[in-house]
Amino acid sequence: QSALTQPASVSGSPGQSITISCTGTSSDVGTYNLVSWYQQHPGKAPELMIYEDTRRPSGVSNRFSGSKSGNTASLTISGLQAEDEADYYCYSYAGISARVFGGGTRLTVL
Amino acid sequence: QVRLQESGPGLVSPSETLSLTCTVSSGSVIGDNYYWTWIRQSPGKGLEWIGCIYYNGGTNFNPSLKSRVTMSVDTSKNQFSLTLTSVTAADTAMYFCAREAGSTAELDYWGQGTLVTVSS
Repeated sequence: QSALTQPASVSGSPGQSITISCTGTSSDVGTYNLVSWYQQHPGKAPELMIYEDTRRPSGVSNRFSGSKSGNTASLTISGLQAEDEADYYCYSYAGISARVFGGGTRLTVL
Repeated sequence: QVRLQESGPGLVSPSETLSLTCTVSSGSVIGDNYYWTWIRQSPGKGLEWIGCIYYNGGTNFNPSLKSRVTMSVDTSKNQFSLTLTSVTAADTAMYFCAREAGSTAELDYWGQGTLVTVSS
């Protein structure tokens, strides 16, 4: 059960859009439509931003969107704001007895 | 709004057993379709899924920790617990409890986390 692969860091300027990828395998991301994304600010618990690959919980800004193609899921943040600077993690269901996180991506808003 | 709160010792000696409890409020651990989950984060590192427990006691564990992990649920206290044996410095981490929605697998509610340090 290997961690999903995410870029270590991404950056963007306010107002721009960025995309964070999350690459798994046919045993997790590629088989189940059950990838979720979490935002974590320093010293805080993670917060759910996207679930079921593309769905957004109520209360989460529509600037956050999710997509998936094959074994790779992606999180896109449009109209970057300073408050978006945080760590982002993907998480995938990998069968009844398995779950796996991505390694995390640090987003810097320039 | 479901709330989760971790509790337990902040310092554990090497080779000893780490025990944490998560208390659930404004919701029930007996909920039909939720997995009660433990996650940890070593200092400066990413999130690691430890495992989860269903209200009937069914469990699933990360294979890398399976030999040392036990989980239990106490429906009368609305709590679930984690036990990790034979700890080393590598087990020093922030430990989070969370609720995973059973059918859609997202972690929709999290505790604030509790830091456990393994040191003599």
